[in-house]
Amino acid sequence: QVTLKESGPALVKPTQTLTLTCTLSGFSLRTTGVRVSWIRQPPGKALEWLGRIDWDDDKFYSTSLKTRLTISKDTSKNQVVLTLTNMDPADTATYYCAHILGGTADAFDIWGQGTMVTVSS
Amino acid sequence: DIQMTQSPSSLSAFVGDRVTITCRASQSIDNFLNWYQQRPGKAPRLLIYGASTLQTGVPLRFSGSGSGTDFTLTISSLQPEDIATYYCQQSDGTLWTFGQGTKVEIK
Repeated sequence: QVTLKESGPALVKPTQTLTLTCTLSGFSLRTTGVRVSWIRQPPGKALEWLGRIDWDDDKFYSTSLKTRLTISKDTSKNQVVLTLTNMDPADTATYYCAHILGGTADAFDIWGQGTMVTVSS
Repeated sequence: DIQMTQSPSSLSAFVGDRVTITCRASQSIDNFLNWYQQRPGKAPRLLIYGASTLQTGVPLRFSGSGSGTDFTLTISSLQPEDIATYYCQQSDGTLWTFGQGTKVEIK
């Protein structure tokens, strides 16, 4: 069974760096074609795509966050890591990681449960 | 970046009604368009990918159509469990974006 689970701090202070981990189960980023994205959703607002990492370590970031965002993978732990620097209250959101459907569909077919992050002093 | 505009932002319909949500891209995205359903307090669920392909397990009352810049999600007969917010998402190229969502309620 393919699952993803996000983990990390629930509260961070402004200017701090956020690190979230997405633990994969039932599939591996060592496998050719596997891709994982991060998506976030501020309370009561729309979904926002943040970026993605591919099995071959290719990475793509949203234009608005590319100066602050890094996505990496730890294949030994089967994890994907999101790092977001210089956190601001506007970054308060539920953060999701999601598996990307194979082929050319580029759709998020399996989602983690999400982890809520609040930015406040 | 490609902007995605959904309409309406919210709608209310009776059980059994046909419901249509539209999504417009700021430039042509061929058929690289996906639809998601998000029930309150839950993670989104993929309904349709490639503009018209139904994801496994999704009820047949859901359908998608369109190509280029204009797309439609249709629920042929609205059910109480369809109460949710629906999002389109474009996957053309390497920078992906979501629409702002359409909230569906029951009258």
